[in-house]
Amino acid sequence: DGGITQSPKYLFRKEGQNVTLSCEQNLNHDAMYWYRQDPGQGLRLIYYSQIVNDFQKGDIAEGYSVSREKKESFPLTVTSAQKNPTAFYLCASQSTWDGEQYFGPGTRLTVT
Amino acid sequence: AQKVTQAQTEISVVEKEDVTLDCVYETRDTTYYLFWYKQPPSGELVFLIRRNSFDEQNEISGRYSWNFQKSTSSFNFTITASQVVDSAVYFCALSEVGAGNNRKLIWGLGTSLAVNP
Repeated sequence: DGGITQSPKYLFRKEGQNVTLSCEQNLNHDAMYWYRQDPGQGLRLIYYSQIVNDFQKGDIAEGYSVSREKKESFPLTVTSAQKNPTAFYLCASQSTWDGEQYFGPGTRLTVT
Repeated sequence: AQKVTQAQTEISVVEKEDVTLDCVYETRDTTYYLFWYKQPPSGELVFLIRRNSFDEQNEISGRYSWNFQKSTSSFNFTITASQVVDSAVYFCALSEVGAGNNRKLIWGLGTSLAVNP
């Protein structure tokens, strides 16, 4: 089955700890995206990557970091510098020519 | 600047009613794409439709239909004979050409639809 996997579905961390969210795709898409969604809110772009070994900041990149060492993988690290990390995080990949994005099931992160 | 406005934050209907979700967009691009996604309570976004800027034909898929009007910069979504399973948050999005000729999506804030039995 082609698609995007995110793990884990639920993640709990103590304040001050870095945490890495996994995102893997087997759709052979070049572009991948990380979004943050807060309750009752839309999607806000954190980082995106158009090609391996390259990525750009989105609208709310502060306190986050990413890497893109492989086409299939785009992990997101939520650092201790992120002031309000509790949120729902969605990863997506994009079919370049038409912009349609395919989403993973999301990871719900709770930091206490 | 590119922008997508979904003015209806929440809509509540009774099953079997028809409901229209509004989407208004702003763009300077002459070539662009518009999308609708559904987000059920499970959280994963589900693609519903893509429409390019050169195709203003309305589209119907079962109980779903979409009305694209460039003259009013709108791409409205209608659900006919709504069902409880249609309860979800619906997002409208606009693609813009970013650096390297790749496309990012500009998202509306979503409309939360509740269909009550």
